[in-house]
Amino acid sequence: NAGVTQTPKFQVLKTGQSMTLQCAQDMNHEYMSWYRQDPGMGLRLIHYSVGAGITDQGEVPNGYNVSRSTTEDFPLRLLSAAPSQTSVYFCASSFGRGSYEQYFGPGTRLTVT
Amino acid sequence: AQSVSQHNHHVILSEAASLELGCNYSYGGTVNLFWYVQYPGQHLQLLLKYFSGDPLVKGIKGFEAEFIKSKFSFNLRKPSVQWSDTAEYFCAVNAGNNDMRFGAGTRLTVKP
Repeated sequence: NAGVTQTPKFQVLKTGQSMTLQCAQDMNHEYMSWYRQDPGMGLRLIHYSVGAGITDQGEVPNGYNVSRSTTEDFPLRLLSAAPSQTSVYFCASSFGRGSYEQYFGPGTRLTVT
Repeated sequence: AQSVSQHNHHVILSEAASLELGCNYSYGGTVNLFWYVQYPGQHLQLLLKYFSGDPLVKGIKGFEAEFIKSKFSFNLRKPSVQWSDTAEYFCAVNAGNNDMRFGAGTRLTVKP
């Protein structure tokens, strides 16, 4: 199993540009989520999904969109990038919510200039 | 919503020293508790978790954590650290819902 994969690993955007961060998992997990990691703030939940076709907002959803058309894929879209979105983004998946261990991808380091 | 506090931002220890990293959370109900570790250049991986039963849980690589409900704490311990334990450690809390909250992280540097 590849586990959780993310592309790209690095990305530089200009303010106002849009892009999609890709996330895929091959463990047949129902639950997937996106976090951003900023120095001194730990990981903050952006959006999550409890299954194909079902998404919801986390702690910091503004400026981001998600969709879940398949169990495997959970892309994160930045519609109009802002410097405040400079961060490291992690995708994670698990069998379910609550007590289940989350498996994390390698991360995408995004810089918005 | 629940929140998580990690008291130490950066801890520096010599090899063989004992380690205790603090974690407190704010939520009055039943919680699931986790410690994750992020080694340099790698992604987060689970060290250990607690969701019921014995409040002293053991994880990988000799780590353990104790859940003290009355103190809302879930401190991580290791009796003797190694250089390879250099990493960032994150405490996380889930209140049985879809919302996982992470602490700010503690960076551990172990000097050989």
